[in-house]
Amino acid sequence: EVQLVESGGGLVQPGGSLRLSCAASGFTFSSYEMNWVRQAPGKGLEWVSYISSSGSTIYYADSVKGRFTISRDNAKNSLYLQMNSLRAEDTAVYYCARDDDTIPHDYWGQGTLVTVSS
Amino acid sequence: EIVMTQSPATLSLSPGERATLSCRASQSVSSSYLSWYQQKPGQAPRLLIYGASTRATGIPARFSGSGSGTDFTLTISSLQPEDFAVYYCQQDYNLPFTFGPGTKVDIK
Repeated sequence: EVQLVESGGGLVQPGGSLRLSCAASGFTFSSYEMNWVRQAPGKGLEWVSYISSSGSTIYYADSVKGRFTISRDNAKNSLYLQMNSLRAEDTAVYYCARDDDTIPHDYWGQGTLVTVSS
Repeated sequence: EIVMTQSPATLSLSPGERATLSCRASQSVSSSYLSWYQQKPGQAPRLLIYGASTRATGIPARFSGSGSGTDFTLTISSLQPEDFAVYYCQQDYNLPFTFGPGTKVDIK
């Protein structure tokens, strides 16, 4: 069974940093592309970042470019999102989502809440 | 950036009725890169349709997708109680990959 489990969320002050993790199981993690998608409280979905299976190709939304870094450790079956210079508008539930070749976001984690507030 | 719009914002229907949800892109999107997601309160989104018209694994046949270019449609042929939720379209044809604002299907 495919499972994606996010962790690392919490309360952080503006300007602070946080590192999210997504632990994958039930599939060959190194063969799949991964994404982070976020959802502010009561709002819609926003794609944040993408990483290819090898980690060689990375994309970011303009809203996080230069502040967030996506990475993966295929040996540990884990995806990461390093978030620096956090702002109030980064407050959201962050989901990791798998891409299966031409099938986008076929599995999602349950999400982890990041709250940026003083 | 491709802007995705969805209409209506809210659709109030009764169980058994047909639901037709619209998604429009600000510029042409290859059908291969248009997907639909369902989200229920407190839950992660779930992939329903990809490639504009292909149902994801385990998705009932009452869900269908169609469209091309800039106009896409999600149809639920006969609403079941578990279908009342928010539905999002997304394009991953061009960066950034953008979602529509969602259509809420609620019980009339």
